[in-house]
Amino acid sequence: EVVMTQSPLSLPVTLGQPASISCRSSQSLVHSDGNTFLNWFHQRPGQSPRRLFYKVSNRDSGVPDRFSGSGSGTDFTLKISKVEAEDVGVYYCMQGTHWPPTFGQGTKLEI
Amino acid sequence: DVQLLESGGGLVQPGASLRLSCTSSGFTFSSSAMSWVRQAPGKGLEWVSAISKSGISTYYADSVKGRFTISRDNSKNTLYVQMNRLRVDDTAVYYCARGDTTTFASWGQGSLVTVSS
Repeated sequence: EVVMTQSPLSLPVTLGQPASISCRSSQSLVHSDGNTFLNWFHQRPGQSPRRLFYKVSNRDSGVPDRFSGSGSGTDFTLKISKVEAEDVGVYYCMQGTHWPPTFGQGTKLEI
Repeated sequence: DVQLLESGGGLVQPGASLRLSCTSSGFTFSSSAMSWVRQAPGKGLEWVSAISKSGISTYYADSVKGRFTISRDNSKNTLYVQMNRLRVDDTAVYYCARGDTTTFASWGQGSLVTVSS
């Protein structure tokens, strides 16, 4: 199965400062149909996950534009331009290109 | 608003069975593939199973294949997973998610399943 490797696993940040999370896959995530099925999720403490981005950079409804998703092939990045208090929690990348779908280990963002 | 509400979790002994349900609203259930994803206590996310819109096609992680059965009732807007021969390592919060294995667009609040003697 495709292994998703996130870094860092712990990310202490200062309010108002930028943050960046890397996600690397063990195989290219480009599907035979041309799509790249790489999603990002955010899970606040005690809550269920919420999808932030699908197909690398497509922002879900309600996701603030301080978040951005980018990357291609095997290297992907989630960036927060200016961290706010509500951004704490764990961020997961996930690939749906190859069977079975797999998640990264998670990156815990702390203020 | 999309709403997914899981139910049926609880404490069971190893080898027992349990059925989880996920009732949905706010979208056309019969037009959406659905999935189950679980999260062991303090751990990350693990995809468990998925089912096509019609229910004809089903998919399972190797860790649950042969023990879990996913199903749906489109007339009741409800997703199910029948879990048999439960093991201690099946202990987790089980989430239902809207979408197939490429999306997981929306998630329920989760249902805790604890397998312990």
